[in-house]
Formats: sequence, structure tokens, C-alpha cells
Amino acid sequence: QTVVTQEPSFSVAPGGTVTLTCGLSSGSVSTSYYPSWYQQTPGQAPRTLIYSTKTRSSGVPDRFSGSILGNRAALTITGAQADDESDYYCMLYMGSGNWVFGGGTKLAVL
Amino acid sequence: EVQLLESGGGLVQPGGSLRLSCAASGFTFSSTGMSWVRQAPGKGLEWVSLFSRDGSSTYYADSVEGRFTISRDNSKNTLYLQMNSLRVEDTAVYYCAKHLVGTKSFDCWGQGTLVTVSS
Repeated sequence: QTVVTQEPSFSVAPGGTVTLTCGLSSGSVSTSYYPSWYQQTPGQAPRTLIYSTKTRSSGVPDRFSGSILGNRAALTITGAQADDESDYYCMLYMGSGNWVFGGGTKLAVL
Repeated sequence: EVQLLESGGGLVQPGGSLRLSCAASGFTFSSTGMSWVRQAPGKGLEWVSLFSRDGSSTYYADSVEGRFTISRDNSKNTLYLQMNSLRVEDTAVYYCAKHLVGTKSFDCWGQGTLVTVSS
């Protein structure tokens, strides 16, 4: 069973830049996996940030960007703000009607 | 405005059944793929099941295959998840999520409904 991997936690200073990544336990992430990113604060439903690797969802500020870095998908936050402190999940499409989420990254802004 | 409203959660004993509903509005429900995603307490997100946009296919995570059944009533703009043979490990908040056509991703989520499986 392929596992989608994310950093368990990360911290960034206010105004700083942070890159969260999303990998596979076996193999490389490419655009063929349609990587997407979701933000979730405690007690709230997830919010879609990025889909199809790099397309921002409606209303998402342009300081959020998606890309492929090496063999991983990446979410970069430029100019981090206090309310960016959240859990971030990537999701990959594994084919044959099967989606897998990463374990999530808890981002602290401090 | 797109809205998804889940209902039907509650407390059920192991081995029991429950049916969740997701009432949709603000988009053409009948031509949109819809999924269920769950989140166990303090854990991450887990995709559970998809009903395809063309209505021809359903898919399930291995963890629920054979126990859960996804369905939809386009006349009522409602998505369902019938959950049978429930286990303690099925305890979670269940979200319905709208697929964005052609992207293999979700663009809108409901607020979720809590299912607790316990004796």
C-alpha cells in the first residue's frame, strides 16, 4: 500500500516563507497524481487551497502557491500570516477511483 | 452559493447501521461527482467513497468496501452513505465533498456529521 508522506509539523515566522511537501513512500509525485492541498483549522471543515498541482481555488490569496519540487508536490506560503496557522493536507489521485491523503502538516506561525 | 449540509450522524453500537445524507444546493448536482471523506478524532483526512459525475460508477476505500454503499437522488439533490457492520474504528466526522470537474479534487466541503461507534 502506497503511503502519502508529509512533514508532521513545521514552523514559520510571521512574514516568512515556508514550503510544505507531499511525497510517496514509493515513487515520485508528478502532475499525473493531480496533487491538491487543503487547509483545516481545529473544529472546521477543510478548505480547498490548490488543485491540479498549482491552480489556486477561488478566493485563495496568491501567497499560496503549488508546484512540483523534485519528486514531491509542494505548497509554498509566502509572507505567512498568523491565521495561516492550520493543518495542511495534500491529496493524490492514485488512479482507478482511489484518492489518498497525506497525514497532514501542522503549521505554526511564531 | 454552493452549500453542502450533512445529517444523520449519531451514536451506534458496533455491528449497527447508519445512513448519512448530504443535501446539496447552488450547483448542478446531477452532473457533479461527489465523495465522502472522514476524519477520526485527532487524526487526518481519509477519502471514503465516490459517486461519479456521470452516475455510472462508485468507488470505495479498502477500509469500507463491502460495508458502505454510496448513492444519490438527483431529484432531491442529495447524496447518501449507507454504513453497515459499523466498527469502532469507523468513528469519525464524515464530510461530503463536491468534485471540481476534470481536476480529481474537491472544491467545496460540508461542515460534517459525527458518527460515533461505541457500546
